[in-house]
Amino acid sequence: EPEVTQTPSHQVTQMGQEVILRCVPISNHLYFYWYRQILGQKVEFLVSFYNNEISEKSEIFDDQFSVERPDGSNFTLKIRSTKLEDSAMYFCASSGQGNSGNTIYFGEGSWLTVV
Amino acid sequence: SQQGEEDPQALSIQEGENATMNCSYKTSINNLQWYRQNSGRGLVHLILIRSNEREKHSGRLRVTLDTSKKSSSLLITASRAADTASYFCATVSYSGAGSYQLTFGKGTKLSVIP
Repeated sequence: EPEVTQTPSHQVTQMGQEVILRCVPISNHLYFYWYRQILGQKVEFLVSFYNNEISEKSEIFDDQFSVERPDGSNFTLKIRSTKLEDSAMYFCASSGQGNSGNTIYFGEGSWLTVV
Repeated sequence: SQQGEEDPQALSIQEGENATMNCSYKTSINNLQWYRQNSGRGLVHLILIRSNEREKHSGRLRVTLDTSKKSSSLLITASRAADTASYFCATVSYSGAGSYQLTFGKGTKLSVIP
């Protein structure tokens, strides 16, 4: 079964550093997402991306964050100047035709620990 | 309560018993999806039920949706120790400008005792 893959699986970074989390969505999918889950809390929406641009973003997704699809297969989340509270599991997801009826597939996540 | 609230927050049952988890939400939805998450792992999609559907089955899973009550339930029959995980409901709503959003609840932590 096709799957969303994410790298790295775990990253430890110092406060103030920049982090790039990488995702390879399912190949024929058109919609891409980033979600995050702070330890013990609910999964929160960060951003959705379609047709090479952000289609929606949450309040969490401020100027510290950016997303990019640098080529035909990768989808990245960049976090500039990381803060302690950015420590969380970051999930990439993709779907075929938006959320209207199609399943959204999630990757295994990237654990980010900011120290 | 927030969109996609599950109850109970934690459920402990014996292997072989059925497990029922409920989810309530507030706004209108396009569909509702249930996910499973093993500790520290990714979200695994279990089942999707559309707003015009009332019940759906997949293997040992049975999902119901009552849009009048804005609630859904996930039933796992004949539970196994391997079913131990957190289960999340996620509502999908149209958020404007051709965009849909998936909103998760806090989840139910299921423990199946062998």
